[in-house]
Amino acid sequence: GAGVSQSPRYKVAKRGQDVALRCDPISGHVSLFWYQQALGQGPEFLTYFQNEAQLDKSGLPSDRFFAERPEGSVSTLKIQRTQQEDSAVYLCASSSTAAGGVRSNEQFFGPGTRLTVL
Amino acid sequence: GESVGLHLPTLSVQEGDNSIINCAYSNSASDYFIWYKQESGKGPQFIIDIRSNMDKRQGQRVTVLLNKTVKHLSLQIAATQPGDSAVYFCAENNDYKLSFGAGTTVTVRA
Repeated sequence: GAGVSQSPRYKVAKRGQDVALRCDPISGHVSLFWYQQALGQGPEFLTYFQNEAQLDKSGLPSDRFFAERPEGSVSTLKIQRTQQEDSAVYLCASSSTAAGGVRSNEQFFGPGTRLTVL
Repeated sequence: GESVGLHLPTLSVQEGDNSIINCAYSNSASDYFIWYKQESGKGPQFIIDIRSNMDKRQGQRVTVLLNKTVKHLSLQIAATQPGDSAVYFCAENNDYKLSFGAGTTVTVRA
């Protein structure tokens, strides 16, 4: 399959633990996005990468959240000292073009990682 | 706060009937909207999009209507099938950021 993949699919953490969530975008996709989806809600934007550059991190809820995409392909979302309010599904999406073009390109979403913080 | 939202959280429809899902937005400058379908355990899947220079766009069994005067858009699904059961989101695309509403859960009755 050539879609966006995420791992792990499920993660249970004890409060205070650090977690790392991985996203493998569609090969060759320039743009990568992370969203947080709370139960029963729509996804909320967290951050955006164009290749390896993090151009927008305005949606990250606190400095405990950190994302990287060092080689412009795979991305990792890290949450330090997890709290119960961090429990959510974390979605990754990729797009074939850079944002800001004449036509915004379709974002393809992965299946998400469901994080539960106890 | 959210710039887009849906009128009803749930919709139950008889198989074969048409479904209409509504969405209201507040930002009159919004010019690009997308409907997504999200099945249980999966990420959102693109259904259809529409720009503000159009008031109607059709796809396969789906139609999106945009009324800029009242800042309202709707998704119509023709001949609803069991596979259409899912949560449907309207989203506003501001360059690259997607702003989603809370979603409407569609349940198809056999």
